[in-house]
Amino acid sequence: DAGVIQSPRHEVTEMGQEVTLRCKPISGHDYLFWYRQTMMRGLELLIYFNNNVPIDDSGMPEDRFSAKMPNASFSTLKIQPSEPRDSAVYFCASSLANLEQYFGPGTRLTVT
Amino acid sequence: KQEVTQIPAALSVPEGENLVLNCSFTDSAIYNLQWFRQDPGKGLTSLLLIQSSQREQTSGRLNASLDKSSGRSTLYIAASQPGDSATYLCAAGGGYQKVTFGTGTKLQVIP
Repeated sequence: DAGVIQSPRHEVTEMGQEVTLRCKPISGHDYLFWYRQTMMRGLELLIYFNNNVPIDDSGMPEDRFSAKMPNASFSTLKIQPSEPRDSAVYFCASSLANLEQYFGPGTRLTVT
Repeated sequence: KQEVTQIPAALSVPEGENLVLNCSFTDSAIYNLQWFRQDPGKGLTSLLLIQSSQREQTSGRLNASLDKSSGRSTLYIAASQPGDSATYLCAAGGGYQKVTFGTGTKLQVIP
């Protein structure tokens, strides 16, 4: 398996623009997680899904953030409108039965 | 709410030394504990997973232990090498629980 795939790897956008991050989990995994990592706050869990259903979105910082998982092989994290404080590395991870998590390479987002 | 603490935040050791990284968690009712490694500018790589029914796991020069009653886990690295330099994170939870990450220990192994 190719592991967790994220795209794009880098995204630079202007304040106010919509940003969509994409994730393909490992085939057969039933849990998917979105994390954000910054120097100031470390690694934060934003939302996670089980069998494509959102289980806990308490980490989503604001209504500007939304996440979907339309099927078992694809998820998106959308920020609309984006702000400079959203600049961070966003990771997607997947696991089987919420056991060992496997992380993607991350998307480095810069909002100017 | 689960809180996970890793002390120290940074550690510098000479090559060849054996070392221990610490992880503490406040809610002992965890399903598992996982140790990760993160290299600068990279994602997280899973090192070891200890399930709640286990006391330790080993992989090569790495050994992780879990003491749920005291809310502690340790990662032991034997005969450290410069290539071990990275940030090490622990994460507690799993199963029906949300996984909570510690803030990490940045390890530097000096040749």
